[in-house]
Amino acid sequence: DTGVSQDPRHKITKRGQNVTFRCDPISEHNRLYWYRQTLGQGPEFLTYFQNEAQLEKSRLLSDRFSAERPKGSFSTLEIQRTEQGDSAMYLCASSLGTGSNEKLFFGSGTQLSVL
Amino acid sequence: GQSLEQPSEVTAVEGAIVQINCTYQTSGFYGLSWYQQHDGGAPTFLSYNALDGLEETGRFSSFLSRSDSYGYLLLQELQMKDSASYFCAVQLNSGYALNFGKGTSLLVTP
Repeated sequence: DTGVSQDPRHKITKRGQNVTFRCDPISEHNRLYWYRQTLGQGPEFLTYFQNEAQLEKSRLLSDRFSAERPKGSFSTLEIQRTEQGDSAMYLCASSLGTGSNEKLFFGSGTQLSVL
Repeated sequence: GQSLEQPSEVTAVEGAIVQINCTYQTSGFYGLSWYQQHDGGAPTFLSYNALDGLEETGRFSSFLSRSDSYGYLLLQELQMKDSASYFCAVQLNSGYALNFGKGTSLLVTP
Protein backbone atom coordinates (compact mmCIF):
# COMPACT_ATOMS: atom_id res chain seq x y z
CA ASP A 1 0.00 0.00 0.00
CA THR A 2 1.61 3.27 -1.09
CA GLY A 3 -1.00 5.67 0.30
CA VAL A 4 -1.10 7.71 3.49
CA SER A 5 -2.12 5.54 6.42
CA GLN A 6 -3.50 6.64 9.75
CA ASP A 7 -4.00 4.74 12.96
CA PRO A 8 -6.37 4.21 14.65
CA ARG A 9 -9.38 4.69 12.37
CA HIS A 10 -11.63 5.38 15.32
CA LYS A 11 -10.95 6.47 18.89
CA ILE A 12 -13.47 6.89 21.68
CA THR A 13 -12.20 8.49 24.85
CA LYS A 14 -13.47 10.14 27.98
CA ARG A 15 -13.10 13.82 28.56
CA GLY A 16 -9.80 14.63 30.22
CA GLN A 17 -7.90 11.68 28.78
CA ASN A 18 -4.91 11.99 26.46
CA VAL A 19 -4.97 10.51 22.96
CA THR A 20 -2.29 10.01 20.32
CA PHE A 21 -2.74 9.43 16.61
CA ARG A 22 -0.20 8.18 14.12
CA CYS A 23 0.29 9.04 10.46
CA ASP A 24 2.53 7.26 7.97
CA PRO A 25 2.93 9.40 4.84
CA ILE A 26 3.82 8.24 1.37
CA SER A 27 7.46 7.24 1.71
CA GLU A 28 9.10 9.73 -0.66
CA HIS A 29 7.02 12.71 0.56
CA ASN A 30 8.89 15.18 2.75
CA ARG A 31 5.92 17.41 3.56
CA LEU A 32 3.31 16.35 6.12
CA TYR A 33 0.15 18.15 7.24
CA TRP A 34 -2.41 17.62 9.97
CA TYR A 35 -5.98 18.80 9.49
CA ARG A 36 -9.17 18.56 11.52
CA GLN A 37 -12.62 18.25 9.95
CA THR A 38 -16.06 18.39 11.50
CA LEU A 39 -19.34 17.44 9.84
CA GLY A 40 -20.32 19.80 7.05
CA GLN A 41 -17.08 21.76 7.19
CA GLY A 42 -13.91 21.82 5.15
CA PRO A 43 -10.61 20.52 6.51
CA GLU A 44 -9.11 22.98 8.99
CA PHE A 45 -5.32 23.29 8.99
CA LEU A 46 -3.55 22.38 12.22
CA THR A 47 0.16 22.05 11.52
CA TYR A 48 2.80 21.41 8.86
CA PHE A 49 6.16 19.59 8.80
CA GLN A 50 8.91 19.70 6.24
CA ASN A 51 10.98 16.62 6.98
CA GLU A 52 11.34 16.67 10.79
CA ALA A 53 10.91 20.44 11.17
CA GLN A 54 7.54 21.80 12.25
CA LEU A 55 7.35 24.97 10.16
CA GLU A 56 3.80 26.16 10.69
CA LYS A 57 1.10 25.85 13.33
CA SER A 58 -2.41 27.22 13.21
CA ARG A 59 -2.97 30.14 15.56
CA LEU A 60 -6.18 28.39 16.55
CA LEU A 61 -4.28 25.35 17.80
CA SER A 62 -4.60 24.92 21.54
CA ASP A 63 -1.55 24.26 23.71
CA ARG A 64 -3.13 20.89 24.46
CA PHE A 65 -2.23 19.80 20.93
CA SER A 66 1.30 18.73 20.03
CA ALA A 67 2.70 17.06 16.97
CA GLU A 68 6.02 15.45 16.18
CA ARG A 69 7.79 13.96 13.22
CA PRO A 70 10.98 12.71 14.84
CA LYS A 71 12.81 11.20 11.89
CA GLY A 72 11.06 12.93 9.07
CA SER A 73 8.96 9.88 8.33
CA PHE A 74 5.87 9.07 10.43
CA SER A 75 4.18 11.70 12.58
CA THR A 76 2.16 11.66 15.78
CA LEU A 77 -0.50 14.08 16.96
CA GLU A 78 -1.25 14.14 20.68
CA ILE A 79 -4.19 15.81 22.34
CA GLN A 80 -3.92 16.22 26.09
CA ARG A 81 -6.87 16.61 28.47
CA THR A 82 -9.38 16.04 25.71
CA GLU A 83 -12.57 18.08 25.60
CA GLN A 84 -15.86 17.32 23.89
CA GLY A 85 -15.11 20.05 21.37
CA ASP A 86 -12.12 18.02 20.18
CA SER A 87 -14.48 15.46 18.65
CA ALA A 88 -13.72 15.51 14.94
CA MET A 89 -12.03 13.66 12.08
CA TYR A 90 -8.26 14.18 12.20
CA LEU A 91 -6.75 13.98 8.74
CA CYS A 92 -3.13 13.62 7.78
CA ALA A 93 -1.82 14.51 4.34
CA SER A 94 1.55 14.39 2.64
CA SER A 95 3.10 15.87 -0.47
CA LEU A 96 6.32 15.66 -2.46
CA GLY A 97 7.60 19.13 -1.62
CA THR A 98 8.74 20.23 -5.05
CA GLY A 99 7.16 23.67 -5.05
CA SER A 100 4.25 25.82 -4.04
CA ASN A 101 0.65 24.69 -3.87
CA GLU A 102 1.45 21.02 -3.66
CA LYS A 103 -1.01 18.27 -4.50
CA LEU A 104 -1.91 16.80 -1.12
CA PHE A 105 -2.57 13.11 -0.59
CA PHE A 106 -4.86 12.52 2.36
CA GLY A 107 -5.22 9.53 4.63
CA SER A 108 -8.61 8.16 5.63
CA GLY A 109 -8.41 9.92 8.97
CA THR A 110 -8.90 9.12 12.65
CA GLN A 111 -12.41 9.77 13.94
CA LEU A 112 -12.20 10.98 17.53
CA SER A 113 -15.22 10.92 19.82
CA VAL A 114 -14.83 12.50 23.26
CA LEU A 115 -17.54 11.47 25.70
CA GLY B 1 -5.97 36.30 5.92
CA GLN B 2 -8.28 34.50 3.55
CA SER B 3 -11.97 33.75 3.10
CA LEU B 4 -13.35 31.25 0.60
CA GLU B 5 -17.06 31.21 -0.21
CA GLN B 6 -18.86 28.33 -1.90
CA PRO B 7 -22.54 27.40 -2.20
CA SER B 8 -23.39 24.86 0.48
CA GLU B 9 -25.47 22.56 -1.72
CA VAL B 10 -26.06 21.95 -5.42
CA THR B 11 -28.38 19.41 -7.05
CA ALA B 12 -28.16 18.32 -10.67
CA VAL B 13 -29.44 15.58 -12.92
CA GLU B 14 -27.35 12.70 -14.22
CA GLY B 15 -25.82 13.59 -17.58
CA ALA B 16 -26.09 17.34 -17.00
CA ILE B 17 -23.38 19.97 -16.47
CA VAL B 18 -22.90 21.71 -13.13
CA GLN B 19 -20.71 24.62 -12.09
CA ILE B 20 -19.53 25.09 -8.50
CA ASN B 21 -18.33 28.60 -7.78
CA CYS B 22 -15.68 29.76 -5.34
CA THR B 23 -15.16 33.39 -4.47
CA TYR B 24 -12.34 34.46 -2.26
CA GLN B 25 -10.85 37.34 -0.36
CA THR B 26 -7.16 36.89 0.18
CA SER B 27 -4.07 39.02 0.19
CA GLY B 28 -2.05 36.77 -2.07
CA PHE B 29 -1.92 33.13 -3.00
CA TYR B 30 -0.17 30.73 -5.35
CA GLY B 31 -3.22 29.22 -7.00
CA LEU B 32 -6.65 27.66 -6.56
CA SER B 33 -7.09 23.94 -5.96
CA TRP B 34 -10.16 21.72 -5.97
CA TYR B 35 -10.67 18.56 -3.92
CA GLN B 36 -13.44 15.96 -3.92
CA GLN B 37 -14.58 14.09 -0.83
CA HIS B 38 -17.13 11.29 -0.74
CA ASP B 39 -19.01 10.61 2.48
CA GLY B 40 -16.70 8.84 4.88
CA GLY B 41 -13.76 9.17 2.52
CA ALA B 42 -10.57 11.19 2.29
CA PRO B 43 -10.31 14.38 0.22
CA THR B 44 -8.75 13.70 -3.18
CA PHE B 45 -7.13 16.21 -5.50
CA LEU B 46 -9.05 17.16 -8.65
CA SER B 47 -7.53 20.24 -10.23
CA TYR B 48 -5.24 23.23 -9.76
CA ASN B 49 -5.10 26.66 -11.43
CA ALA B 50 -1.94 28.68 -10.98
CA LEU B 51 -2.78 31.11 -13.78
CA ASP B 52 -6.00 32.68 -15.00
CA GLY B 53 -7.97 30.58 -17.43
CA LEU B 54 -9.41 27.15 -17.87
CA GLU B 55 -7.75 23.84 -16.99
CA GLU B 56 -9.39 20.69 -18.34
CA THR B 57 -9.00 17.16 -16.98
CA GLY B 58 -11.44 14.76 -18.55
CA ARG B 59 -15.00 15.53 -17.46
CA PHE B 60 -13.76 18.11 -14.94
CA SER B 61 -12.58 21.62 -15.72
CA SER B 62 -11.51 24.41 -13.40
CA PHE B 63 -11.30 28.14 -14.01
CA LEU B 64 -9.58 31.01 -12.24
CA SER B 65 -9.87 34.77 -12.62
CA ARG B 66 -7.59 36.60 -10.18
CA SER B 67 -8.92 40.00 -11.24
CA ASP B 68 -12.44 38.91 -10.26
CA SER B 69 -11.33 36.92 -7.18
CA TYR B 70 -13.33 34.04 -8.54
CA GLY B 71 -12.99 30.49 -9.67
CA TYR B 72 -15.20 27.56 -10.51
CA LEU B 73 -15.22 23.83 -11.00
CA LEU B 74 -17.19 22.54 -13.97
CA LEU B 75 -18.38 18.95 -14.02
CA GLN B 76 -19.71 17.60 -17.30
CA GLU B 77 -21.68 14.45 -18.11
CA LEU B 78 -22.57 14.05 -14.49
CA GLN B 79 -22.61 10.55 -13.07
CA MET B 80 -24.18 9.29 -9.87
CA LYS B 81 -20.70 8.68 -8.47
CA ASP B 82 -20.01 12.42 -8.68
CA SER B 83 -22.27 12.93 -5.67
CA ALA B 84 -19.78 14.20 -3.11
CA SER B 85 -18.49 17.32 -1.43
CA TYR B 86 -16.24 19.64 -3.40
CA PHE B 87 -13.79 22.03 -1.77
CA CYS B 88 -11.84 24.92 -3.19
CA ALA B 89 -8.55 25.68 -1.47
CA VAL B 90 -5.70 28.17 -1.61
CA GLN B 91 -2.16 28.29 -0.32
CA LEU B 92 -1.29 31.78 0.82
CA ASN B 93 2.02 33.31 -0.21
CA SER B 94 2.72 33.83 3.48
CA GLY B 95 2.63 30.18 4.54
CA TYR B 96 2.59 26.50 3.76
CA ALA B 97 -0.96 25.60 4.74
CA LEU B 98 -3.58 24.76 2.14
CA ASN B 99 -6.71 26.57 3.33
CA PHE B 100 -10.06 25.03 2.42
CA GLY B 101 -13.50 26.47 1.90
CA LYS B 102 -16.49 24.95 3.69
CA GLY B 103 -17.35 22.85 0.69
CA THR B 104 -20.26 22.30 -1.67
CA SER B 105 -22.34 19.17 -1.34
CA LEU B 106 -23.31 17.97 -4.83
CA LEU B 107 -26.24 15.60 -5.22
CA VAL B 108 -26.67 13.95 -8.61
CA THR B 109 -30.17 12.60 -9.17
CA PRO B 110 -31.38 10.11 -11.80
